[in-house]
Amino acid sequence: DTAVSQTPKYLVTQMGNDKSIKCEQNLGHDTMYWYKQDSKKFLKIMFSYNNKELIINETVPNRFSPKSPDKAHLNLHINSLELGDSAVYFCASSQMDRQNTEAFFGQGTRLTVV
Amino acid sequence: GDSVTQMEGPVTLSEEAFLTINCTYTATGYPSLFWYVQYPGEGLQLLLKATKADDKGSNKGFEATYRKETTSFHLEKGSVQVSDSAVYFCALSDLGDDKIIFGKGTRLHILP
Repeated sequence: DTAVSQTPKYLVTQMGNDKSIKCEQNLGHDTMYWYKQDSKKFLKIMFSYNNKELIINETVPNRFSPKSPDKAHLNLHINSLELGDSAVYFCASSQMDRQNTEAFFGQGTRLTVV
Repeated sequence: GDSVTQMEGPVTLSEEAFLTINCTYTATGYPSLFWYVQYPGEGLQLLLKATKADDKGSNKGFEATYRKETTSFHLEKGSVQVSDSAVYFCALSDLGDDKIIFGKGTRLHILP
């Protein structure tokens, strides 16, 4: 069983469209994240949710809206897509109420806006 | 705030060479430290971790020691292989911080 799974793996879409990326974790973790990785491989945190509550929103345009229907899911919806949104988006989860916890990552969604 | 600084790449080595990738951190608390590896086309995987000062994490021939006095967590491997070619990320998480902070990543190329 995949611990953190995200879909789709590839997404090609036109500018101005609205798209969603889904993420699910079966690890029982209480915290989920979305990271954006650019072409230089820099990883930047976008959002962090703890028990379905938004904890961190790191200067992300409000065209990006995360939704967490339950602890095991954190979806990312993007409105009015722009060329600069092209990147690989990673979902991750961890258990943040104890020390030495590590994050588990999904395989990534490569978004290409044309 | 907390941060992680790691050496810029790319790093290119011949097979069987000795590897060091430097990583230093700043943190207000007592963070856990990690090295993640990203193979081409894949997500990040935990390579090793250390949770307190002087702990040594090790996996697949890689090692890193948590040095509080120098706030460092350098990654080392005695003899690299072509299959070690990947991007390596140093990271920390501080209890109560609600996020894991990554360095910018170091791309490693191993030549046969």
